[in-house]
Amino acid sequence: NAGVTQTPKFRVLKTGQSMTLLCAQDMNHEYMYWYRQDPGMGLRLIHYSVGEGTTAKGEVPDGYNVSRLKKQNFLLGLESAAPSQTSVYFCASTGHRSQYFGPGTRLLVL
Amino acid sequence: GQQVMQIPQYQHVQEGEDFTTYCNSSTTLSNIQWYKQRPGGHPVFLIQLVKSGEVKKQKRLTFQFGEAKKNSSLHITATQTTDVGTYFCAGHFGNEKLTFGTGTRLTIIP
Repeated sequence: NAGVTQTPKFRVLKTGQSMTLLCAQDMNHEYMYWYRQDPGMGLRLIHYSVGEGTTAKGEVPDGYNVSRLKKQNFLLGLESAAPSQTSVYFCASTGHRSQYFGPGTRLLVL
Repeated sequence: GQQVMQIPQYQHVQEGEDFTTYCNSSTTLSNIQWYKQRPGGHPVFLIQLVKSGEVKKQKRLTFQFGEAKKNSSLHITATQTTDVGTYFCAGHFGNEKLTFGTGTRLTIIP
């Protein structure tokens, strides 16, 4: 099992560009999450999904959109990137109790 | 909103000394989880506490959940260089979302 995988690992964007981060899990988990991690801020929830075809807003959803068309995939989109979105993005999925995290995507917006 | 406060933000200890990090919530938690993130890595689940007053041990790590289920602590006895990283608590407030504390970064002085 690969667990939770994320692509890409690293990306540089210019302000106003768009991109999609992909998260995939092979553990048949229902719940999936997108977090951003900034120095001194811990992990903040952007959006989450409790099952295929469902999405919900987290703590910091503005500027992001998500889709969960397939159970194993959870996509995070940035329609018009801003420097404030420079961060490390983690995807996670939930087993019967704990969250399993992907390796993260480092995003730099210039 | 529901928040989980964690202190201290940083802790530097000599190898062999003990280390403790604390989490507090203003409202009752359904359960609390602890994660460890190594430098450059992703959060990894350590343990979950559910019951009021619960104490669990993993080798040199001792986890406690307060009687009122509003606070928790992680204590490491006789730290080693392998303990380096950031320790996060994360609480459930009765829903599918996990609220993370801001983390305590532990550095070890050899």
